[in-house]
Amino acid sequence: EADIYQTPRYLVIGTGKKITLECSQTMGHDKMYWYQQDPGMELHLIHYSYGVNSTEKGDLSSESTVSRIRTEHFPLTLESARPSHTSQYLCASTRDTTYEQYFGPGTRLTVT
Amino acid sequence: EDKVVQSPLSLVVHEGDTVTLNCSYEVTNFRSLLWYKQEKKAPTFLFMLTSSGIEKKSGRLSSILDKKELFSILNITATQTGDSAVYLCAVGASGSARQLTFGSGTQLTVLP
Repeated sequence: EADIYQTPRYLVIGTGKKITLECSQTMGHDKMYWYQQDPGMELHLIHYSYGVNSTEKGDLSSESTVSRIRTEHFPLTLESARPSHTSQYLCASTRDTTYEQYFGPGTRLTVT
Repeated sequence: EDKVVQSPLSLVVHEGDTVTLNCSYEVTNFRSLLWYKQEKKAPTFLFMLTSSGIEKKSGRLSSILDKKELFSILNITATQTGDSAVYLCAVGASGSARQLTFGSGTQLTVLP
């Protein structure tokens, strides 16, 4: 079983608040990803990382930012949350030699 | 732009039925096609296919890829209520980030 963790699992916050969604993996994977998924919709890649100090924006434009200071940690930050950010955020990671991504349990974010 | 289309969008069957889920793709520099099962939280990995015509099998689930016609099918025989989930198809193209492009999924409901 994959060891990838996300906190918090559920978050309800007010508009304008700054939030950080945490993602950690203990598998030593270099590549990590953040996806956004609205109910009944496909996963959209919003950020990814090749490794430490390497981050890129994904296909879906997002107002969030990410950092990768340590291999195991890939947090996502929203400086000023808005209702349009309400969604599920999934973190994933993979080894260099495969396309199989392991997913965390997700954070369901609601911005009121 | 890479594209993955799944059909049907939803399917309701009774226990014991056999179902076939479809995934077609248009991807530049195809490398792998993956199937995931998502039950209200994180997607869990089912299969990864890279070669055409070779069936992958796990219990009652099986999948095959046709790289000439650019599609894959996922078969589930003798369905059970525990098979109820969203089944996601994803395609990986060449590139050091090993990004996946996801389809919108098929919602399968198995009634007792």
